Amino acid sequence: DTAVSQTPKYLVTQMGNDKSIKCEQNLGHDTMYWYKQDSKKFLKIMFSYNNKELIINETVPNRFSPKSPDKAHLNLHINSLELGDSAVYFCASRSGGSDEQFFGPGTRLTVL
Amino acid sequence: AQSVTQLGSHVSVSEGALVLLRCNYSSSVPPYLFWYVQYPNQGLQLLLKYTSAATLVKGINGFEAEFKKSETSFHLTKPSAHMSDAAEYFCAAFSGGYNKLIFGAGTRLAVHP
Repeated sequence: DTAVSQTPKYLVTQMGNDKSIKCEQNLGHDTMYWYKQDSKKFLKIMFSYNNKELIINETVPNRFSPKSPDKAHLNLHINSLELGDSAVYFCASRSGGSDEQFFGPGTRLTVL
Repeated sequence: AQSVTQLGSHVSVSEGALVLLRCNYSSSVPPYLFWYVQYPNQGLQLLLKYTSAATLVKGINGFEAEFKKSETSFHLTKPSAHMSDAAEYFCAAFSGGYNKLIFGAGTRLAVHP
């Protein structure tokens, strides 16, 4: 039983394409996050949703658009992909009464 | 703004030796602090956390960390390294009201026989 799952695990695509990454958590958490890990392993938050409402929106190009259809899902859509978007994207979730975030296995995006 | 600094991007120890990974935070108010481990091609796993209770925190896999307010530090230690400890380690702190994690740059731990 995977707590936080992401699909796909690997994504290779051409510049200019549009792609989506999906995240699902079965922990009953009400807050979900997207983080980006660059080639130097540096991790930075991108977005957070609480009960389907956007609560954190860091300085991210508007080509990135998160969507939360329900509390258990937080998807990330990326338009007009650029070389610099190549990274590992991690989804995480947290219960409202806890300070611990649970991370998914990551999606490695490679833009050619 | 909150920031987390990890001194040493690479640390190499012998199996059985002491592991010491350094983390310093910048904040006028002691934040919640975390250590995460990332094994190759995997996600992040929580090792331990400090949430203003005991200053010496014990985590999984024999790791522990001590919160020192006077030094604004939260260094991670393990008395005896094991080959399976080889991984990337991240120190992180909460920032803001929505539990936004601010990560350090990470320290890669190598363990050699």
